[in-house]
Amino acid sequence: AQKVTQAQTEISVVEKEDVTLDCVYETRDTTYYLFWYKQPPSGELVFLIRRNSFDEQNEISGRYSWNFQKSTSSFNFTITASQVVDSAVYFCALSEEMNRDDKIIFGKGTRLHILP
Amino acid sequence: DVKVTQSSRYLVKRTGEKVFLECVQDMDHENMFWYRQDPGLGLRLIYFSYDVKMKEKGDIPEGYSVSREKKERFSLILESASTNQTSMYLCASSLLGQGSSGNTIYFGEGSWLTVV
Repeated sequence: AQKVTQAQTEISVVEKEDVTLDCVYETRDTTYYLFWYKQPPSGELVFLIRRNSFDEQNEISGRYSWNFQKSTSSFNFTITASQVVDSAVYFCALSEEMNRDDKIIFGKGTRLHILP
Repeated sequence: DVKVTQSSRYLVKRTGEKVFLECVQDMDHENMFWYRQDPGLGLRLIYFSYDVKMKEKGDIPEGYSVSREKKERFSLILESASTNQTSMYLCASSLLGQGSSGNTIYFGEGSWLTVV
């Protein structure tokens, strides 16, 4: 069973619109970590955020915000007032406490197009 | 800043050639990883290493080997390249070794390999 599901394969929005990228995860572990990475066209995956399972506070960083809800096993990512530079592939990922080798499980990514 | 450097950004190799992809990190990280990324398949773990001279198979190790002679360097080897190994290869590293989890993984810029 897929452990990290990013149901949106591709999204296009017009610049300045808000957009939410969905991430649903599956784990039986009580301690786990969730991540978001951004992959611009250059290829490098850029770390955006790490959140542990005991911290359900939402986080805001500039135009980026994350909504972590354990009740629905979701860790959604919202970009407010999107810009063309936000165009990238975004990956959600999960690391489980019982997996002690730091292997993280990635979703298949959501390709975001911000249209000028 | 963490820096993970992959020696080659773009390579074209012939079927049957031996290919070396080199990766160096400058943050004294114990863990290092090699992933490949393919459209529709996301990131798949090939091999990882949690210490010098140690290696563990990931999800798709067939056709690959690795070498970790120094802590900062992790090489991916394609013994006899085949066309189905045409892909984007991503090296990554993380702090702390086996026995912990949830550490942030930092990625290099990727190596685009084409096997003809």
